[in-house]
Amino acid sequence: AQSVTQPDIHITVSEGASLELRCNYSYGATPYLFWYVQSPGQGLQLLLKYFSGDTLVQGIKGFEAEFKRSQSSFNLRKPSVHWSDAAEYFCAVDFNTGTASKLTFGTGTRLQVTL
Amino acid sequence: GAVVSQHPSRVICKSGTSVKIECRSLDFQATTMFWYRQFPKQSLMLMATSNEGSKATYEQGVEKDKFLINHASLTLSTLTVTSAHPEDSSFYICSAMLPIYEQYFGPGTRLTVT
Repeated sequence: AQSVTQPDIHITVSEGASLELRCNYSYGATPYLFWYVQSPGQGLQLLLKYFSGDTLVQGIKGFEAEFKRSQSSFNLRKPSVHWSDAAEYFCAVDFNTGTASKLTFGTGTRLQVTL
Repeated sequence: GAVVSQHPSRVICKSGTSVKIECRSLDFQATTMFWYRQFPKQSLMLMATSNEGSKATYEQGVEKDKFLINHASLTLSTLTVTSAHPEDSSFYICSAMLPIYEQYFGPGTRLTVT
């Protein structure tokens, strides 16, 4: 069955430290992959996406993600976290089922940043 | 660009009444919009796909008669929760899709049914 897993429910990092948020999916082919960030009172904001091509994608706010086909993963990274990065992060996957861009979301990872 | 609004942001209604939530794409036209439901500290669950000028497509387990969706124009989709009950209390989020295969999300509507 198609699924999206974010193994870490809650992560705490110090400001300035590096960050990696994990995302794994279960699917027989390569899906379309997205990372969104949700801040209180704001809508989900698209950080980056992967459709094909270069497996390292750059996004907004200094984020990047790497698609690893062999591991069915699409982990989000940032070299130096800022206090304003504290939010909920969602990995989302479009399993290309033929219908219009239906997204399946992971359960989210809440990022806390300590000063 | 690509701004999506929702109205209202919060609504409290009594059990048995209906409530309408609007989702608007402010600076682009969207033939396809989506409605999600998010429970506290949980992920987003797709409820339905709303297509302009046609009937919405509902996900398995979502009651069509309870969650009425209308996509009457390229910039507006509405979700009406009919005969609301306390278990319908949730955070409802819409998104609008650009032709470049990206979804842009509204800020959400917090529904509380008393």
